Amino acid sequence: AAGVIQSPRHLIKEKRETATLKCYPIPRHDTVYWYQQGPGQDPQFLISFYEKMQSDKGSIPDRFSAQQFSDYHSELNMSSLELGDSALYFCASSQMGTSGGYQETQYFGPGTRLLVL
Amino acid sequence: AQSVSQHNHHVILSEAASLELGCNYSYGGTVNLFWYVQYPGQHLQLLLKYFSGDPLVKGIKGFEAEFIKSKFSFNLRKPSVQWSDTAEYFCAVSPPFSGNTPLVFGKGTRLSVIA
Repeated sequence: AAGVIQSPRHLIKEKRETATLKCYPIPRHDTVYWYQQGPGQDPQFLISFYEKMQSDKGSIPDRFSAQQFSDYHSELNMSSLELGDSALYFCASSQMGTSGGYQETQYFGPGTRLLVL
Repeated sequence: AQSVSQHNHHVILSEAASLELGCNYSYGGTVNLFWYVQYPGQHLQLLLKYFSGDPLVKGIKGFEAEFIKSKFSFNLRKPSVQWSDTAEYFCAVSPPFSGNTPLVFGKGTRLSVIA
């Protein structure tokens, strides 16, 4: 079965540079979530989109922005990178389903490992 | 705000031992409950989930979990672990009535299975 695709899988950047992470959800999934997982930490929610509109916002820094496009893929744009941004960035997708989202399951992609030097 | 507690940070078991990982959540209403597994260097994979109905949920790879509403718990169990079960296990919750709701994760429990 098709899974969530993320690119790139690994990324090395210098401080103050920018980075763009991409996420391609499972076909027919309409919702995308972004999570950040620091070393030895649990995933922390950053931001989510439903039908190309931002649906929820978590602990996303102002230096980061994201959007969901007409084909439902999403991009996380990160500017003025800091050492502390080094982490694994996961994208998850889900489908609201006939129950209106009441029984929603999120499926995770392989993640993008970002290293800021 | 919702929170999820996983009491065991690191569990070390011998192969064939039984496993129980604790998960408690704080949330006043009905929730959806999940266990995800993260093998070394890999992404989060869904082990099992509970939405409603039978509180004993069976997942993949021989795992099961029991939802006990009165205790706000959703403990993960496996009767006999294998070396390949070595991984990080995350309990997660989301409220069911608002849709598109981000998951709140516990801190994770690292399971090491030794031969």
